Amino acid sequence: KAGVTQTPRYLIKTRGQQVTLSCSPISGHRSVSWYQQTPGQGLQFLFEYFSETQRNKGNFPGRFSGRQFSNSRSEMNVSTLELGDSALYLCASSPVSTGGYGYTFGSGTRLTVV
Amino acid sequence: AQTVTQSQPEMSVQEAETVTLSCTYDTSENNYYLFWYKQPPSRQMILVIRQEAYKQQNATENRFSVNFQKAAKSFSLKISDSQLGDTAMYFCAFGGATNKLIFGTGTLLAVQP
Repeated sequence: KAGVTQTPRYLIKTRGQQVTLSCSPISGHRSVSWYQQTPGQGLQFLFEYFSETQRNKGNFPGRFSGRQFSNSRSEMNVSTLELGDSALYLCASSPVSTGGYGYTFGSGTRLTVV
Repeated sequence: AQTVTQSQPEMSVQEAETVTLSCTYDTSENNYYLFWYKQPPSRQMILVIRQEAYKQQNATENRFSVNFQKAAKSFSLKISDSQLGDTAMYFCAFGGATNKLIFGTGTLLAVQP
């Protein structure tokens, strides 16, 4: 059974550009959550999508957005990149949208903004 | 708001010995879940163990077990017979009614040969 797949693994962008990250969840999982991981702030919740609807949103500016498609694949977009957006972006999938099940994580996309 | 605190930034243990990682949390919810995740250098977060707050029995998964003290809001992870492959960052996490997990800052565990 394939795990959670994130692409690309590494990305280098320039300030002011925009970027799109992709996440394919485990087959049958309908919930996809995104986290930003940095040395200073740790793991911070960005948002969760379930059945193409945003269920929860973290405390990030509107430059961070996402969407989910009918096949449960999800994309995350960051516009007008800032140096502080450099981070490991982790995607996690779950079969349900309740807190008890736990996630299966992908290996992340390492974004570097220069 | 829920918070999760891991007070040990780094720990070291000899191979085959036992180590305990600490975690405390704060919440006003009565029904919730607690998790320990492992993040090796490969970056992928792996679920180690899960505890349901309404269960008094401590969860165990092979060499991994927890000491869940609900009244004290404490959730420590014990790793027995430590192996080199256990070297990783360990995160404690809280899950409530929603699918948003709150993570602690992590404990970097080094298993020494």
